[in-house]
Order: sequence, then structure tokens, then C-alpha cells
Amino acid sequence: DTQMTQSPSSLSASVGDTVTITCRASHDIGPYLAWYQQKPGKVPKLLIYAASTVQAGVSSRFSGSGSGTDFSLTISSLQPDDVATYYCQNYDNGPPGLSFGAGTKVEMK
Amino acid sequence: QVQLVQSAAEVKKSGASVKVSCRPSESSFTSHYLHWVRQAPGQGLEWMGIINPTGGSTVYAQTFQGRVTMTRDTSTSTFYMELSSLTSEDTAVYFCARGARVGVRYVWGPFDYWGQGTLVTVSS
Repeated sequence: DTQMTQSPSSLSASVGDTVTITCRASHDIGPYLAWYQQKPGKVPKLLIYAASTVQAGVSSRFSGSGSGTDFSLTISSLQPDDVATYYCQNYDNGPPGLSFGAGTKVEMK
Repeated sequence: QVQLVQSAAEVKKSGASVKVSCRPSESSFTSHYLHWVRQAPGQGLEWMGIINPTGGSTVYAQTFQGRVTMTRDTSTSTFYMELSSLTSEDTAVYFCARGARVGVRYVWGPFDYWGQGTLVTVSS
């Protein structure tokens, strides 16, 4: 499978901070990278696709960038509601298939 | 608003099989790929495979090949995921998720709608 390496595995930040999560693919996946937010006990929610396109209805405080093998998710002006685990995912249809990063847990200081 | 409605929680014995269903609320049954993802307690998301609703073709993650079967019933517009030879390590929440529109080049995703999840508990 494609390996998606996320970092950090967890972070703690204050309200109003800007945080950045990175994701590295084991091979070139072009722009086919999505980010999901999952709150405890909830279903994952699509935040960003095509590396930088914000899904309809998602706050503009979320932004994404990158292509090829290196990607990032930035959350600006962190809010208590942003406490969640964030996953990256490649979704190109080439072998060996889709996979998710291990997740980044975002907590409030 | 598309909804994916999954079947209820299951408790199974080791060695048994489980079959989880997923029914889209709208006509996206034939227009989009359908994926299955699982999440073990306290762990991350794990992609299991994809089914093309128009012909029923499937691609499974290597981890599950030989043990998973994904099907669809066009008469009831329902998708199914069956996992066999269960062990305690298969205890997880199983999600279905809607992927890309069928025919879109190069991609199978992203996953814009998810089912509510089905907890499968495997006991010895």
C-alpha cells in the first residue's frame, strides 16, 4: 500500500494559534490528497480535497497545500471546536490503492 | 443531502463471518464508487476496499484480500461488506463512504459522505 506519513502525531496549542500538520506520501500522488477531521465518537468529515480545495461548508480557517509527495494542513486561529484527530488520505486510483495517514491529534492547551 | 444508512451492531465469535450493509438514501447508488473503511478502538482509519456499483467490480486492500467480499444488490440499492475468519483484531467500527463519481479519471475519492458506522465485536 501507499504509505502516508503524518507528523506530528499529536500537538497542543492555544486558542488563536496557527497550527500546521504535514503529510508525506511514499510515491508521487499528484494533487490527489484529502484531509479529514474526526471528533471523538463521530464520523470523519471531509475538510479538503485536491490538496487545497476546501469542501463546501468548511471554515476558511482550514487550508491545504502541496503536491506530489509533500502536503500540509493549516488551521488558523485555532478554536476549541477544532479539537479532533486529523487524517490525510491519498485517493488516486493507481496501485496499490488508497490509504490514510496515522492521524494527528489536536488538543487545546 | 445524501445519507448512507448502515446496519446495526453485531457480536460474533472468533472464526465466524459478519456481513454489514450500507444503503444510500438517494440515487447516488449507481453514480458513485462505494468504499469500506474500518477503525479499531482507539486506532486510525484503515481503507478496506472499493466497489463499482455499475458492474460490481471490486478492489481490495492487500491486508484483506482473501477474507473480504464486497457486493451490491441493485434491486434494493444496497451495498454489503462481508468479512470472514474473524478474530479479536477485527473488533472495530466499519464505515461505508461515498467516493468519486464513477468514470472520473485517475481517482476513487475523496470520501464526501460517510455512513454512521457499524460496531462489530468479535469475542472468543
